[in-house]
Amino acid sequence: AQSVSQHNHHVILSEAASLELGCNYSYGGTVNLFWYVQYPGQHLQLLLKYFSGDPLVKGIKGFEAEFIKSKFSFNLRKPSVQWSDTAEYFCAVNALGGTYKYIFGTGTRLKVLA
Amino acid sequence: DTEVTQTPKHLVMGMTNKKSLKCEQHMGHRAMYWYKQKAKKPPELMFVYSYEKLSINESVPSRFSPECPNSSLLNLHLHALQPEDSALYLCASSQGTGANTDTQYFGPGTRLTVL
Repeated sequence: AQSVSQHNHHVILSEAASLELGCNYSYGGTVNLFWYVQYPGQHLQLLLKYFSGDPLVKGIKGFEAEFIKSKFSFNLRKPSVQWSDTAEYFCAVNALGGTYKYIFGTGTRLKVLA
Repeated sequence: DTEVTQTPKHLVMGMTNKKSLKCEQHMGHRAMYWYKQKAKKPPELMFVYSYEKLSINESVPSRFSPECPNSSLLNLHLHALQPEDSALYLCASSQGTGANTDTQYFGPGTRLTVL
């Protein structure tokens, strides 16, 4: 069965530190990849997405993610975090082909210290 | 307008009650979704509607009954729920379910408590 793994469950950083959140999925076929963010008290919103083309995807608020097909990974990065980045981050995969399957990772809670 | 609205925001119900959750979007999206999210867990897909037809039912118990009256509305009818069904119920919509149309827009959710 398809699965999505986020290895970092809780991350605490100081402002201006660099961020990298891991996301790995298990599916051998074509995928669409997403990072969603949930700020405290707010609903899930799209941070960035990969469909095809350039494997380095840029999203909102200075976030980027790199799709490495050989590693089944889609890691999220930001060179310098801000206090306002405190949120929960979910990686999601849509495994294309066959039955529609949209799977979320377990989430990473990021806390940025001012 | 990129908003998905859900009502009510909070719902408390007994195990013998019948209630409904409502979701609405006016983005012209043709796919709508129900998710269940327990505390500190990721959203779990329950149902997918595509062009107002139920296309995915992720083995959800029959005490949850979805309905899509039109392309803008999605309901989730609840009956004889169990306390373990207490969770945040999220609605989402997307242009479609295909390769370039499946970016989902989420509503704020309905927090359901079953007593």
